[in-house]
Amino acid sequence: QKEVEQNSGPLSVPEGAIASLNCTYSDRGSQSFFWYRQYSGKSPELIMSIYSNGDKEDGRFTAQLNKASQYVSLLIRDSQPSDSATYLCAVNGGYGQNFVFGPGTRLSVLP
Amino acid sequence: NAGVTQTPKFRILKIGQSMTLQCTQDMNHNYMYWYRQDPGMGLKLIYYSVGAGITDKGEVPNGYNVSRSTTEDFPLRLLSAAPSQTSVYFCASYDRGFSYNSPLHFGNGTRLTVT
Repeated sequence: QKEVEQNSGPLSVPEGAIASLNCTYSDRGSQSFFWYRQYSGKSPELIMSIYSNGDKEDGRFTAQLNKASQYVSLLIRDSQPSDSATYLCAVNGGYGQNFVFGPGTRLSVLP
Repeated sequence: NAGVTQTPKFRILKIGQSMTLQCTQDMNHNYMYWYRQDPGMGLKLIYYSVGAGITDKGEVPNGYNVSRSTTEDFPLRLLSAAPSQTSVYFCASYDRGFSYNSPLHFGNGTRLTVT
């Protein structure tokens, strides 16, 4: 069974610090990788997607992918209290596959 | 720019009642999904569809049924409500296209309580 695991939370960081969220996946054939943010009581919203090994930056967010290690991470620089949410890692396994979600990591940014 | 629209937003059911959760998308996406999310937990796939007339079971299909008569609509039916079906239900769509690099687009969810 294809699995996606995330570092267990909750993760607490002070305002202005870097938050590091990690995700590992079991299916070596996975094609694309997504980070979603979910505020309490709301639906998941896409933050970042990444398909190639290396780093991808978008504002304060950086996604890192290492397919050899089956590892994807999300770094949030200059963390703000508004970043406090649950972050879901999702993996698309490619043709004939569905998205597989990790359990999520709850992040708290303390003022 | 509606995206994925779910109705209702909230519903309380009595044990044994049935209901249909509605989901429609206006992005012409071929793939559609139903997930449930229990408190403090991740998303579990109930059913999915790769196009009109084609549906398949996900991880937790028992007690549910779906149909996909059009590209836009993908209703989820609860057959006989049980307390274990108390959850938040999310509908999502995805444009398979020529690559796997498109993300899932989520609706705003339906919060269901069964008492």
